[in-house]
Amino acid sequence: EPEVTQTPSHQVTQMGQEVILRCVPISNHLYFYWYRQILGQKVEFLVSFYNNEISEKSEIFDDQFSVERPDGSNFTLKIRSTKLEDSAMYFCASSDGLSSSTDTQYFGPGTRLTVL
Amino acid sequence: AQKVTQAQTEISVVEKEDVTLDCVYETRDTTYYLFWYKQPPSGELVFLIRRNSFDEQNEISGRYSWNFQKSTSSFNFTITASQVVDSAVYFCALSEARGNTPLVFGKGTRLSVIA
Repeated sequence: EPEVTQTPSHQVTQMGQEVILRCVPISNHLYFYWYRQILGQKVEFLVSFYNNEISEKSEIFDDQFSVERPDGSNFTLKIRSTKLEDSAMYFCASSDGLSSSTDTQYFGPGTRLTVL
Repeated sequence: AQKVTQAQTEISVVEKEDVTLDCVYETRDTTYYLFWYKQPPSGELVFLIRRNSFDEQNEISGRYSWNFQKSTSSFNFTITASQVVDSAVYFCALSEARGNTPLVFGKGTRLSVIA
């Protein structure tokens, strides 16, 4: 069964460093998303992406964040200068985008980002 | 604004007991989608069910059942004859019905099933 994959599973970085989190959405899906979950808290929406541009973004998704689909399969989230409070689990999701009746979002296993 | 409330932070049950996880939502939309996701200890988010607001039929899938009541804005999830493998955090979520919109999650309910 097709699934969303994410790499790495765990990333440790120093404060102020740039990180890139990678995702491979389900192959025929058209909408891609990033969410984050700070330890022990609820899952929060960051950004959605469709047709090579941002569709929606939350207040969390400030200028430190960017997303890109560099090729036909990968979808990346970049944090330019990480802060301690960026430490969280980052989930990628995708949906087929064909119609509102089939837009269930399927999530990847997550990347745990630890900022020291 | 949309909001999902899962008032039960943690629940512990003994194996084979039935357990119901509560979910109450707020939205100004007349049509919307409701979801349940499971997050086992390994951390991934596993899709369980999606329900359209115009379909109030309850659903059963094996030991899982969902009770959607629009009149009380609730979408509760019942596990019958719980098993240790059901131990996880369960999230209820809500989205607009225009398709491919952000999910708004509740804070989750941690279910522990004890053998």
